[in-house]
Amino acid sequence: AQSVSQHNHHVILSEAASLELGCNYSYGGTVNLFWYVQYPGQHLQLLLKYFSGDPLVKGIKGFEAEFIKSKFSFNLRKPSVQWSDTAEYFCAVGDLSSNTGKLIFGQGTTLQVKP
Amino acid sequence: DARVTQTPRHKVTEMGQEVTMRCQPILGHNTVFWYRQTMMQGLELLAYFRNRAPLDDSGMPKDRFSAEMPDATLATLKIQPSEPRDSAVYFCASGLVRVGEQFFGPGTRLTVL
Repeated sequence: AQSVSQHNHHVILSEAASLELGCNYSYGGTVNLFWYVQYPGQHLQLLLKYFSGDPLVKGIKGFEAEFIKSKFSFNLRKPSVQWSDTAEYFCAVGDLSSNTGKLIFGQGTTLQVKP
Repeated sequence: DARVTQTPRHKVTEMGQEVTMRCQPILGHNTVFWYRQTMMQGLELLAYFRNRAPLDDSGMPKDRFSAEMPDATLATLKIQPSEPRDSAVYFCASGLVRVGEQFFGPGTRLTVL
């Protein structure tokens, strides 16, 4: 069965620190990859997505992610976090061959940024 | 700015009562998903539809939950009877099959006393 694994459950950083959140998935076919962010008390919003092409994807608010096919990874990065980045981050994978539009979500990583 | 809408945003009810949550997907989207989010279980997929047809509802407790799409502009999730363990935030999301990106609604926060 397909699965998505996020390495860190809870990350605490100080403002201006660099961030990297790990995401690995188990599926060998063609996939679309996503990172969603959920700010406290809000719904999931798309941060960035990868469909094809340049494996380094830039998203909103200075976030980027790199798709490494050989490692089945799609790690999220930000060079300098802000207090407002405090949120939960979800990695998600979509299997194009399933023809369902269904996404498999990781368990989420809670990021706490200290001012 | 197209977005998924959900009603009600908050619902407090007593155990045993029926609860109906509604979702209006983004016009033109052909997939609709219902998720439940709790602190303990995280984000769980309950059911999903493609072109209004139910594809999978294996994530739902069958004896009390039901999900329907009476038309392309409305999806419903019903709990009857509700129980305190159903307390959670229920999200609806819609998207396009060929793209996979899902757009989430604001959620319905359900509290069952």
